Amino acid sequence: DTGVSQDPRHKITKRGQNVTFRCDPISEHNRLYWYRQTLGQGPEFLTYFQNEAQLEKSRLLSDRFSAERPKGSFSTLEIQRTEQGDSAMYLCASSLGGGAEAFFGQGTRLTVV
Amino acid sequence: AQSVTQPDIHITVSEGASLELRCNYSYGATPYLFWYVQSPGQGLQLLLKYFSGDTLVQGIKGFEAEFKRSQSSFNLRKPSVHWSDAAEYFCAVGHPSGTYKYIFGTGTRLKVLA
Repeated sequence: DTGVSQDPRHKITKRGQNVTFRCDPISEHNRLYWYRQTLGQGPEFLTYFQNEAQLEKSRLLSDRFSAERPKGSFSTLEIQRTEQGDSAMYLCASSLGGGAEAFFGQGTRLTVV
Repeated sequence: AQSVTQPDIHITVSEGASLELRCNYSYGATPYLFWYVQSPGQGLQLLLKYFSGDTLVQGIKGFEAEFKRSQSSFNLRKPSVHWSDAAEYFCAVGHPSGTYKYIFGTGTRLKVLA
């Protein structure tokens, strides 16, 4: 296994468009997390899944943001009607249950123009 | 409120010099503690972690960190810095019952002079 994989690595989109990012966790990891990182800041927690269940989503930034993990494997993060303020690095991480460290992917850098 | 403070935004050291990056946290209980490193445009790589036990933990790339409960600190150290250590370093805390959500500090950017 090569670690957490995110696709695409970079995305440039026009304001108002919808975007979707994909994350493939480490195969045996049942927990998957999404974070957002803006310039000069540390990552900010958005949501997490245990298997296919989304257990915490209160930190999703608005109702324009949604995440899924339909079969408990890969996950997608969708942003509808993008705004310039959505420009950031979106990081995915996975872990083997609670009490274990999270391994991060390389991130998807979103630029909204 | 739960928070992580990294008081140094930028640090510059000469290659071969020692390094200490500071991290203080505010948390209701003793959390799990982590240091991650991020190179430009890249994701985060775990350097080391503290869950319990020995308060001096060893990590990869020659880094170590010491947990001090009385000071709510988890400072990162390296005795001799290499040019390849130039990156951004993040301290993070997680809940001791299950690290479903990490709280990160704002990071310290390390510059290494040749």
